[in-house]
Amino acid sequence: RKEVEQDPGPFNVPEGATVAFNCTYSNSASQSFFWYRQDCRKEPKLLMSVYSSGNEDGRFTAQLNRASQYISLLIRDSKLSDSATYLCVVTASNTGKLIFGQGTTLQVKP
Amino acid sequence: GAGVSQTPSNKVTEKGKYVELRCDPISGHTALYWYRQSLGQGPEFLIYFQGTGAADDSGLPNDRFFAVRPEGSVSTLKIQRTERGDSAVYLCASSLYRLAGGNEQFFGPGTRLTVL
Repeated sequence: RKEVEQDPGPFNVPEGATVAFNCTYSNSASQSFFWYRQDCRKEPKLLMSVYSSGNEDGRFTAQLNRASQYISLLIRDSKLSDSATYLCVVTASNTGKLIFGQGTTLQVKP
Repeated sequence: GAGVSQTPSNKVTEKGKYVELRCDPISGHTALYWYRQSLGQGPEFLIYFQGTGAADDSGLPNDRFFAVRPEGSVSTLKIQRTERGDSAVYLCASSLYRLAGGNEQFFGPGTRLTVL
């Protein structure tokens, strides 16, 4: 079983739609949680950190449920420019190494 | 300022050859990481340097892989006797500190390695 699991998609949605991505992680000792965005043939870039209290950045909302070891990302009012792969990422304590999920591909269509 | 740079951007080699991949981190970043990304997968951790020392090399797949960071800045990932299965994008990232979640890791554009 992979340490971080995501539905690879692809998710094909129209502009303006709301889309939700989910992710589960297996290591209960995981300390930090992130969503990264990766455009085709580009490097991953940090989209947002994820906290138990939930956090929002414009159209993006991330949520963490430690009890269920579950992370989510909600994108409202999808734009064409949101088309990318979204990577769920965790880190363990005392290391900085990032553990990535497989990534979920989003395609927003006009 | 300049981001993380990696050279070469593309490398094609033959099975059995030796390759070196270079990473130039952001100036002042003490933590440096190497990851490998295969097609359709997320990046996988290879090795982490804090300063000059490899603090965690648990992700290196076997002894054909080796990495150095002799002066605590530039790092080189070395692969001996390359195999077709080594074909992937090799990503380097740097951050100010190693603390989990304490600092964002900034990724370079990667080196696309193809072993024929």
